[in-house]
Amino acid sequence: KNEVEQSPQNLTAQEGEFITINCSYSVGISALHWLQQHPGGGIVSLFMLSSGKKKHGRLIATINIQEKHSSLHITASHPRDSAVYICAVLHGGNQFYFGTGTSLTVIP
Amino acid sequence: DVKVTQSSRYLVKRTGEKVFLECVQDMDHENMFWYRQDPGLGLRLIYFSYDVKMKEKGDIPEGYSVSREKKERFSLILESASTNQTSMYLCASCPSGVGNYGYTFGSGTRLTVV
Repeated sequence: KNEVEQSPQNLTAQEGEFITINCSYSVGISALHWLQQHPGGGIVSLFMLSSGKKKHGRLIATINIQEKHSSLHITASHPRDSAVYICAVLHGGNQFYFGTGTSLTVIP
Repeated sequence: DVKVTQSSRYLVKRTGEKVFLECVQDMDHENMFWYRQDPGLGLRLIYFSYDVKMKEKGDIPEGYSVSREKKERFSLILESASTNQTSMYLCASCPSGVGNYGYTFGSGTRLTVV
């Protein structure tokens, strides 16, 4: 059983489309981390949030603590957004629990 | 620019070899972590360390050990490599207030054991 579930597992979109990736978790958390992993392996941090909403460029992350749910939105998607997007939750201490990722492909 | 550096991007080792994966961070972070990543399984924690010479087992420590002799360096050791240890290995670090900052990851080491 995984404490963090992401949907969809795979997503293909046309360039310009609005994209939503979902993350649900089953434990109490103090923070949620959205990460991006490009082919080749390196993982970069997109957002850390514990409430509400954050925006950076074309990326928006929201979290609903009561519903134990977070979404990552990408507006005006572009082929360079193609990557695996990973949700991780901080549940006690300094250790994150990771979802298995959503693989996004944006077609020109 | 702050960094977590892993010594090798790609590594091929033979079954039974002792393998060292090195991770160095330049951010003076207290916490360091080793994960392996396999298709469909996500990131799984092998070991972590809260301080120099401190280590804690993660979810899948069997077949691995670690060493943290200096704050900036956290080494993962495969005592006797086996084919089921073929994987992507990722090192991460964070300050003690991880809820504010999250993890910084290295670029990963793709290990193949033949």
